[in-house]
Amino acid sequence: DAKTTQPTSMDCAEGRAANLPCNHSTISGNEYVYWYRQIHSQGPQYIIHGLKNNETNEMASLIITEDRKSSTLILPHATLRDTAVYYCIVRVSNYGGATNKLIFGTGTLLAVQP
Amino acid sequence: DTAVSQTPKYLVTQMGNDKSIKCEQNLGHDTMYWYKQDSKKFLKIMFSYNNKELIINETVPNRFSPKSPDKAHLNLHINSLELGDSAVYFCASSQGQGGGETQYFGPGTRLLVL
Repeated sequence: DAKTTQPTSMDCAEGRAANLPCNHSTISGNEYVYWYRQIHSQGPQYIIHGLKNNETNEMASLIITEDRKSSTLILPHATLRDTAVYYCIVRVSNYGGATNKLIFGTGTLLAVQP
Repeated sequence: DTAVSQTPKYLVTQMGNDKSIKCEQNLGHDTMYWYKQDSKKFLKIMFSYNNKELIINETVPNRFSPKSPDKAHLNLHINSLELGDSAVYFCASSQGQGGGETQYFGPGTRLLVL
């Protein structure tokens, strides 16, 4: 049911920027793009989200193309602790906005190499 | 000061038994969720409660019965456990109102049915 496409895996050298792409060509105008990650054996962790504009927080930057059909999550200086599965999710909002269903795909396994 | 906590962390039991998993959040959120992550690492929503009211029920077998005694708690009771119920179960919570309802996940409960 996931409406996103991500590469299965990526490698990144420690200290370099990690750029994780995501395609969401069927995204609707009012749907947000969310990024979560799951470090081995832990619960998913929220990273960042956006609608149209690029966003930045203390963890990462999110670049959304003008047509909103794809986005890129950027970890500016990857560390070994950033090794995880990264999920790009288009948020489905129903039920009058009282709650939202996150549909997780298979994600991208990012391996940060020393 | 854990935001979303689950008990137990590990649960090993025999087929046919009945077991419960508990979840508590101290974030003051209105909405709570149960997700299941199977052996292939697919993470799928099972239930969602908003202010103790069931909002999402993703065609989960009725052997699974969530109960929300108050906004801060969402427990999951499973009757007549089957081998296929073996998985990691994650609880999550969100504010549930307006836009940008980031979900915060617990550490997971690893259920093994023998």
